Amino acid sequence: GAVVSQHPSRVICKSGTSVKIECRSLDFQATTMFWYRQFPKQSLMLMATSNEGSKATYEQGVEKDKFLINHASLTLSTLTVTSAHPEDSSFYICSARGPGQGSYEQYFGPGTRLTVT
Amino acid sequence: DQQVKQNSPSLSVQEGRISILNCDYTNSMFDYFLWYKKYPAEGPTFLISISSIKDKNEDGRFTVFLNKSAKHLSLHIVPSQPGDSAVYFCAASFGGGYQKVTFGIGTKLQVIP
Repeated sequence: GAVVSQHPSRVICKSGTSVKIECRSLDFQATTMFWYRQFPKQSLMLMATSNEGSKATYEQGVEKDKFLINHASLTLSTLTVTSAHPEDSSFYICSARGPGQGSYEQYFGPGTRLTVT
Repeated sequence: DQQVKQNSPSLSVQEGRISILNCDYTNSMFDYFLWYKKYPAEGPTFLISISSIKDKNEDGRFTVFLNKSAKHLSLHIVPSQPGDSAVYFCAASFGGGYQKVTFGIGTKLQVIP
């Protein structure tokens, strides 16, 4: 199957700082990328959908000014958590799919564990 | 409001026996359902899916059953193998599977050798 990587796998940052997480599709062109967040004992929650070259579409309740998403190329999307606070500590995971692909062709990265102290 | 529910957080099954993982959903607009498998330190990987126009889909040892009237689906693994030990996520989508995916909380399956 297709490979999606995420970097870093773990990050610890201080409250008030910003953190950038990268999501890369290694062997296919990802026209659409998704960013999810998972809190302990909860399900993966979609934060936003981004299409290459367009502004991201955020889910209700997700602050677009806090979670900046850039999908500048067909193989890279970044999520920047700005002015991070302890409540932003979570597991962030991206997925990607190519043009015309359905949900079952959505390939996930391994995730990034963010801890804000 | 959790639209996709997996009420069993964990399940243990003997190797060779059947594993049955259950999932309920509340939104009748969902028309495409998926199961993902996740190993530690890896992202979820697609396992099997079913469209709402079907009630069963089979792929090797994995079969998904859909009961639309009960808003319930289940994943059967027969025979279960130790390598099947993982977290299984039930998920649902709209638009024939081309819209966003809503996930359940996951069920951790342990297959005991």
